[in-house]
Amino acid sequence: SQQGEEDPQALSIQEGENATMNCSYKTSINNLQWYRQNSGRGLVHLILIRSNEREKHSGRLRVTLDTSKKSSSLLITASRAADTASYFCATRNYGQNFVFGPGTRLSVLP
Amino acid sequence: DAMVIQNPRYQVTQFGKPVTLSCSQTLNHNVMYWYQQKSSQAPKLLFHYYDKDFNNEADTPDNFQSRRPNTSFCFLDIRSPGLGDAAMYLCATSRDNGEPQHFGDGTRLSIL
Repeated sequence: SQQGEEDPQALSIQEGENATMNCSYKTSINNLQWYRQNSGRGLVHLILIRSNEREKHSGRLRVTLDTSKKSSSLLITASRAADTASYFCATRNYGQNFVFGPGTRLSVLP
Repeated sequence: DAMVIQNPRYQVTQFGKPVTLSCSQTLNHNVMYWYQQKSSQAPKLLFHYYDKDFNNEADTPDNFQSRRPNTSFCFLDIRSPGLGDAAMYLCATSRDNGEPQHFGDGTRLSIL
């Protein structure tokens, strides 16, 4: 299985702190995506990073990809209570569909 | 705003009674997906359509079927729901395979 595995499973931080979540996968990928899911809602796409990219930024989000280690990280800087959600990585192998990892539950305390 | 809409948000059905969940999109995307998500778990892909081409995941039970009568609509049919089918069902679309997916807010299915 090429399923991504997020680490940690749960993370609790104070508002203003940075949050880092990691994702590991098993096989070569075409791209890796991060999604956010608020409780009881659908997933929202955050960022896509392709296999030939090492880092991408979007606002307070920074994603890195290390294909040699088959891992990615999502950094949320200056976190806010509104960032409280579950975060999933999804990996896609060539010609296949996405497989979502089990997710990291982030709680940002005011 | 272009979006993915799922109806209803909450669906209750009886054990063994067929149920249909619906999804519509205004994004004009080629690909539509159905996922099953159980509490505190990752979404699990059931099947997807690329235009009219249906792609079933190998481990999707035969109890689950889907229809896509046109670009905008896609339906999930559960022929004989069991207690284990209680879950959130998420519909998503993407412009092409591998592109970012746009999700609806899901239908939470309860089985009595």
